[in-house]
Amino acid sequence: DAGITQSPRYKITETGRQVTLMCHQTWSHSYMFWYRQDLGHGLRLIYYSAAADITDKGEVPDGYVVSRSKTENFPLTLESATRSQTSVYFCASSYPTLLGNEQFFGPGTRLTVL
Amino acid sequence: KNEVEQSPQNLTAQEGEFITINCSYSVGISALHWLQQHPGGGIVSLFMLSSGKKKHGRLIATINIQEKHSSLHITASHPRDSAVYICAVTDYGGSQGNLIFGKGTKLSVKP
Repeated sequence: DAGITQSPRYKITETGRQVTLMCHQTWSHSYMFWYRQDLGHGLRLIYYSAAADITDKGEVPDGYVVSRSKTENFPLTLESATRSQTSVYFCASSYPTLLGNEQFFGPGTRLTVL
Repeated sequence: KNEVEQSPQNLTAQEGEFITINCSYSVGISALHWLQQHPGGGIVSLFMLSSGKKKHGRLIATINIQEKHSSLHITASHPRDSAVYICAVTDYGGSQGNLIFGKGTKLSVKP
């Protein structure tokens, strides 16, 4: 089906483990984003990508790594998970228009770090 | 100070009431977005606007660029409108495509 998907939807891991969250979109949108959503903070940008092989840091990049070898995929890796990374993670994609970028969000991944 | 401020933070209404959620921003923008997030659910874009007013069903979004203010109105509210409504802006001077988000307004519509 067309759209933007995330996997897994739920993940429980332990402190210090490496975790990769997957994001896949079928629209060939050039832009992709990773956000985390926490109570009291709203949505915060972790990393974004303007095109394949082009990534840049957002507001809260520490402890995260991204890659974008293909336009449709934008995985987010927590190299050594910490409890403070317990959150809901949203991936989004968009294409540029004259006004700006309307973003289309994935369903989210709820990550718990014990 | 946050660049995007929403009010109120929480709102409870009775079914059928007219609802207004406000958003103020402090940066120059190329567009303002209203998003909806149902409990436990994903995030859906409702509107993207840069001037005037847009309407979709019972939802109306307005923006006043001079006053740096936007409102989201819901007419004849229904319990299924219960959700978090998020205002976001595309910063005119920022990295292309990035949104700056407000913290959201949690709306609960009682039957």
